[in-house]
Amino acid sequence: GAVVSQHPSRVICKSGTSVKIECRSLDFQATTMFWYRQFPKQSLMLMATSNEGSKATYEQGVEKDKFLINHASLTLSTLTVTSAHPEDSSFYICSATPSGPSTDTQYFGPGTRLTVL
Amino acid sequence: GEDVEQSLFLSVREGDSSVINCTYTDSSSTYLYWYKQEPGAGLQLLTYIFSNMDMKQDQRLTVLLNKKDKHLSLRIADTQTGDSAIYFCAETFHGGSQGNLIFGKGTKLSVKP
Repeated sequence: GAVVSQHPSRVICKSGTSVKIECRSLDFQATTMFWYRQFPKQSLMLMATSNEGSKATYEQGVEKDKFLINHASLTLSTLTVTSAHPEDSSFYICSATPSGPSTDTQYFGPGTRLTVL
Repeated sequence: GEDVEQSLFLSVREGDSSVINCTYTDSSSTYLYWYKQEPGAGLQLLTYIFSNMDMKQDQRLTVLLNKKDKHLSLRIADTQTGDSAIYFCAETFHGGSQGNLIFGKGTKLSVKP
């Protein structure tokens, strides 16, 4: 059941460039997807909630112009880190909640390791 | 605000039982989850429990919930070396963002042969 994929799994980029990370629910539709950031040896911090067909809701302290989120379909959400800097290096994980009446259970992707040089 | 606390480390011998504990502050929690994270990987949902349940068992995993004390535990029977990972406790509640998960810092489980 419920598989979420992320692409790429690992990316290295130069400072100042933009990086797009894709999150896909493979076998279910997800009205809502979430983007988390995990610093080394720390827990996950919710960055934003992505709803299909509407603007993402960003958590306090997360710059929406820097972390662009697009939820274009019920199976795809993208996170674009614009003008990336070394401090943006982190492990980015997405999750998806199946559409319809069910639990709030979130299924997580395998994560994307971003390294900004 | 809401807070979830876990001990950071646990070390057990292979074959023993592991008990990972978690406390939370939000009394309106609806679901409580246990996730497993292996090195360099994302999170894997292990199990979850609805807040009106006291216990849930799934093969080697037993979840106990003491709602009065806001205490959640995960017991892993016959712990194996493959169980070595970081285990995150998380809660969610209705009101505000749907499915907004609050995570603990994670408990690193080390299993010695």
